[in-house]
Amino acid sequence: GESVGLHLPTLSVQEGDNSIINCAYSNSASDYFIWYKQESGKGPQFIIDIRSNMDKRQGQRVTVLLNKTVKHLSLQIAATQPGDSAVYFCAEREWNYGQNFVFGPGTRLSVLP
Amino acid sequence: NAGVTQTPKFQVLKTGQSMTLQCAQDMNHNSMYWYRQDPGMGLRLIYYSASEGTTDKGEVPNGYNVSRLNKREFSLRLESAAPSQTSVYFCASITQGGDEQYFGPGTRLTVT
Repeated sequence: GESVGLHLPTLSVQEGDNSIINCAYSNSASDYFIWYKQESGKGPQFIIDIRSNMDKRQGQRVTVLLNKTVKHLSLQIAATQPGDSAVYFCAEREWNYGQNFVFGPGTRLSVLP
Repeated sequence: NAGVTQTPKFQVLKTGQSMTLQCAQDMNHNSMYWYRQDPGMGLRLIYYSASEGTTDKGEVPNGYNVSRLNKREFSLRLESAAPSQTSVYFCASITQGGDEQYFGPGTRLTVT
């Protein structure tokens, strides 16, 4: 079946540095991707999304890059803060399958003081 | 506007017991979802409901049943709980044609 996965299960960064979290996907028909943040004991929260007709999208301190050639997605967090410590998930959707998403296993981001 | 709410927050069951996890959303969303989350794995879809009155199986439906009671509420039932169903369960909803799924806070279920 189709799958979404992450290259690094854990990532530790120094406060103030930039973080890059990676995601690989295998469904070439996926047309929409989301990054979620999940803090301990809470449900996933939307961070940023990107459609397959784009290769970059920026939000507040976050940027998502999409490389369809190698089926790779990344989330960049600028000036990482302690509040960014969480598990980050990527998810993909193939529009032909409605609004159902396939989620990656997640990367835990730890921000060091 | 409470978003997506789930009850209970925590539950411990003995093998063979039954229970129903409740989910409600106040955003007038059409589609609702039940996921389970296990350590080291992504969210896996158990069941979903594209609209009131319809339900469909997801990736891991065995051992579960669902009811879309009305547009607001989508419940998940375990008829005979098994230790393999120990997990954190999340409910989510999305508006028709929308992109972002909104998640509830989760129910942590332990089956002994």
